[in-house]
Amino acid sequence: GDSVTQMEGPVTLSEEAFLTINCTYTATGYPSLFWYVQYPGEGLQLLLKATKADDKGSNKGFEATYRKETTSFHLEKGSVQVSDSAVYFCALSDGRAGNNRKLIWGLGTSLAVNP
Amino acid sequence: DVKVTQSSRYLVKRTGEKVFLECVQDMDHENMFWYRQDPGLGLRLIYFSYDVKMKEKGDIPEGYSVSREKKERFSLILESASTNQTSMYLCASKMGTANSPLHFGNGTRLTVT
Repeated sequence: GDSVTQMEGPVTLSEEAFLTINCTYTATGYPSLFWYVQYPGEGLQLLLKATKADDKGSNKGFEATYRKETTSFHLEKGSVQVSDSAVYFCALSDGRAGNNRKLIWGLGTSLAVNP
Repeated sequence: DVKVTQSSRYLVKRTGEKVFLECVQDMDHENMFWYRQDPGLGLRLIYFSYDVKMKEKGDIPEGYSVSREKKERFSLILESASTNQTSMYLCASKMGTANSPLHFGNGTRLTVT
C-alpha cells in the first residue's frame, strides 16, 4: 500500500541555519503531497502542498518540490528561526476517486531551533 | 478562517467509563476525521465521516464509535475507556474536493486511569 517515510528527529539547529527534512513516498497513481506543521500545544496546519510532478509548494520561507523520479518531497528552508520550532509531517493523498478523503502520514520530524 | 473546536483540552477519566469527545467545525465541511497522536506512532486515523450520519472506519477503530447527527458536529465515543486509550485526540475537517487541506482542532489530551 501507499506509504510515507520521513527522516527521524529530533533535528536541532541554530538560528539562521539551513533546514532539510527528507520525505520519500511510495504510491500507485499520481498522489498529491503535503507538509503539515504542528506548533507546541496546537493542532496541525497545512504548510504547503504540491499536486503534480515538478510542482513546488512554498509558504513562510519553506519550499518543497514534488520529484516523481526520486519519489521525494523534501522540505527546505534557507534560514530557520526560533519560531520554526515545531513538528513537521509529510503526507500524501492518492487522489483516486473515493480515496481522496484520507491522507497517508509520515511519523513526523521534530525541529528545535536554538537562538 | 476555519475554526475546528474540540470541547475539552484536557480530560481525565477512569477505566470503564463511557467518554464523549466533541468536535465542531464552522465552515460547512463535508468531511470530518478523528485521529489519535502518540509519540513514535504519528497520527493514526480512528474514524471519518463524509456526510451526516455516514461514517467509515479508519486504521484503528477498535474500542471507538462515532456519531454525526449534524454536519458541523462529529463526536468520538469510547464505550468503555481503557488505559491504552490514553492519548492525544485530534479532530479535523475538510471540504470534499481531493486536494483541499485538513483543518485541525487543538486536540484533547485524554488520560484514562
